[in-house]
Amino acid sequence: EAGVAQSPRYKIIEKRQSVAFWCNPISGHATLYWYQQILGQGPKLLIQFQNNGVVDDSQLPKDRFSAERLKGVDSTLKIQPAKLEDSAVYLCASSAGSHSNQPQHFGDGTRLSIL
Amino acid sequence: GENVEQHPSTLSVQEGDSAVIKCTYSDSASNYFPWYKQELGKRPQLIIDIRSNVGEKKDQRIAVTLNKTAKHFSLHITETQPEDSAVYFCAASKGTYKYIFGTGTRLKVLA
Repeated sequence: EAGVAQSPRYKIIEKRQSVAFWCNPISGHATLYWYQQILGQGPKLLIQFQNNGVVDDSQLPKDRFSAERLKGVDSTLKIQPAKLEDSAVYLCASSAGSHSNQPQHFGDGTRLSIL
Repeated sequence: GENVEQHPSTLSVQEGDSAVIKCTYSDSASNYFPWYKQELGKRPQLIIDIRSNVGEKKDQRIAVTLNKTAKHFSLHITETQPEDSAVYFCAASKGTYKYIFGTGTRLKVLA
């Protein structure tokens, strides 16, 4: 099966600019996640969708970050305006969901550098 | 809050030796524990997972053990090979699908 697709792979912007990332999950996966992975750390959940509804966005800096999954498939994550501390890899993952834990499958991520 | 501690942060072993990475979780309601391998610049890949109703699971050279009473779980890699060199992450989840990741262990297998 095709894996989780993300684009772009790399992005360099200046602080205060805007940026958007795109994710296409594994076909049929109801649950989609966006993680932030700062160099040398484990992934940190930003937001979790179940179909097109938000399950958890408690760690999303809502003053600058937003995400949507309008049709319950693809998702976009936006940062506006970017800060230096946003430099990280942004990983998208998906899982089949349901009533029990299902493994999460990750994309290759987008490496964001803020100048 | 929910927390997963992972040790050691770096681990060097000789090729052919065993490697053990340990994680401790704080939320006793956690019931699913995956392990991911992440090579430099690549995506985290699931290598093994265990659910709370099982004490041990093995897949070829990789095994995971779970001690629910002590709230810790461990990854065991036997007969290590250079291609095992990577960063390994543990995670804990409790049915709401949210993973809490550990801080990672950089494993170096020396030829």
